[in-house]
Amino acid sequence: DQQVKQNSPSLSVQEGRISILNCDYTNSMFDYFLWYKKYPAEGPTFLISISSIKDKNEDGRFTVFLNKSAKHLSLHIVPSQPGDSAVYFCAAYVMDSSYKLIFGSGTRLLVRP
Amino acid sequence: DVKVTQSSRYLVKRTGEKVFLECVQDMDHENMFWYRQDPGLGLRLIYFSYDVKMKEKGDIPEGYSVSREKKERFSLILESASTNQTSMYLCASSTGSSGANVLTFGAGSRLTVL
Repeated sequence: DQQVKQNSPSLSVQEGRISILNCDYTNSMFDYFLWYKKYPAEGPTFLISISSIKDKNEDGRFTVFLNKSAKHLSLHIVPSQPGDSAVYFCAAYVMDSSYKLIFGSGTRLLVRP
Repeated sequence: DVKVTQSSRYLVKRTGEKVFLECVQDMDHENMFWYRQDPGLGLRLIYFSYDVKMKEKGDIPEGYSVSREKKERFSLILESASTNQTSMYLCASSTGSSGANVLTFGAGSRLTVL
């Protein structure tokens, strides 16, 4: 029973183009969403987050969009760079006394030079 | 800069052995977590701790235990390792403050059980 789903295991994009990574969730109680990036042999690093009271959050080349009615969020990377090649994890969190982040299965992004 | 250190990057153990995975963070974070990462399954929470000597089961605690005797240190214990515990283990920490629960991860410990 996966509460956070990343249905695309991989994505390949040309350098300079837009990368769009998608994430769906089932738990309507989630009120915070985060994206993490992971390079091989390293731990995941925090990339960007969004609260459920917003529908968009932007940080440089990275923008996260949240569609609560569809229970869907996406990460846009514009323009994509070869250094963005990594595995991207979507994660969600209910802001109560629990501190449990629920992660998706990840999407491997390859940015071709 | 928050640092989470996992002392063992690669371990090879035999079935039935007791395994200790150690994790230390240096930023006085209240919360510490152990996840395992498996292909196609993402990161799954094993145990977490929100204070010294406090622990909570995550989604897959079976076969594991944890210890948090000091605030900066969180240990994962496999009492009797089995081959299905071959995985990448990731430790993380976060503050207890409100807002986004941003985890800082260590580099991971890759465990192979033969």
